[in-house]
Amino acid sequence: DSGVTQTPKHLITATGQRVTLRCSPRSGDLSVYWYQQSLDQGLQFLIQYYNGEERAKGNILERFSAQQFPDLHSELNLSSLELGDSALYFCASTKSVGGRTGELFFGEGSRLTVL
Amino acid sequence: QQPVQSPQAVILREGEDAVINCSSSKALYSVHWYRQKHGEAPVFLMILLKGGEQKGHDKISASFNEKKQQSSLYLTASQLSYSGTYFCGTVPNFGNEKLTFGTGTRLTIIP
Repeated sequence: DSGVTQTPKHLITATGQRVTLRCSPRSGDLSVYWYQQSLDQGLQFLIQYYNGEERAKGNILERFSAQQFPDLHSELNLSSLELGDSALYFCASTKSVGGRTGELFFGEGSRLTVL
Repeated sequence: QQPVQSPQAVILREGEDAVINCSSSKALYSVHWYRQKHGEAPVFLMILLKGGEQKGHDKISASFNEKKQQSSLYLTASQLSYSGTYFCGTVPNFGNEKLTFGTGTRLTIIP
């Protein structure tokens, strides 16, 4: 158990819909990362937050947005869903001290299926 | 910029050694290695910082050649538990917390 909690674990929805994925980081971790992993693919970096502030952005689609709340949990919002958005979405947290990326602790992921 | 990993896949017998390479076209500050078993989340192995350091963890070690922007992961006397997909992640400079992963190397260990 990494200490990172992601909900829901599985989600099935239709094209055009909107979903929200939630992540609770490990206790004490201020930094949260979101990654997308399509079937048998690598980990695509989406976005990173540190203590509520967006710190780094990857090739995140405009239909996707995220935020980190004062209690440090984070949410990834996916809208106008397309079939190609079906993937496993991982959240990871780290202490990220002094601008240096440390060990990431990954949650179990949220598997999104778009039909 | 996504790092490039090689080989894409490798099959070994238990006890054999493996080397997984990771290279970048841009300067790197740090290289991170993770292993993901099928159906599970990635798990951290080690971080190497620029300066050409080497690190070891049991029979898994790694090197980082800053000048060549390359890192290699060495698995010695592989065990069945080493099976999985190995990802290298790179950070381009200090203060930049964007960790970009390569496409992964699938390692299969057979008895």
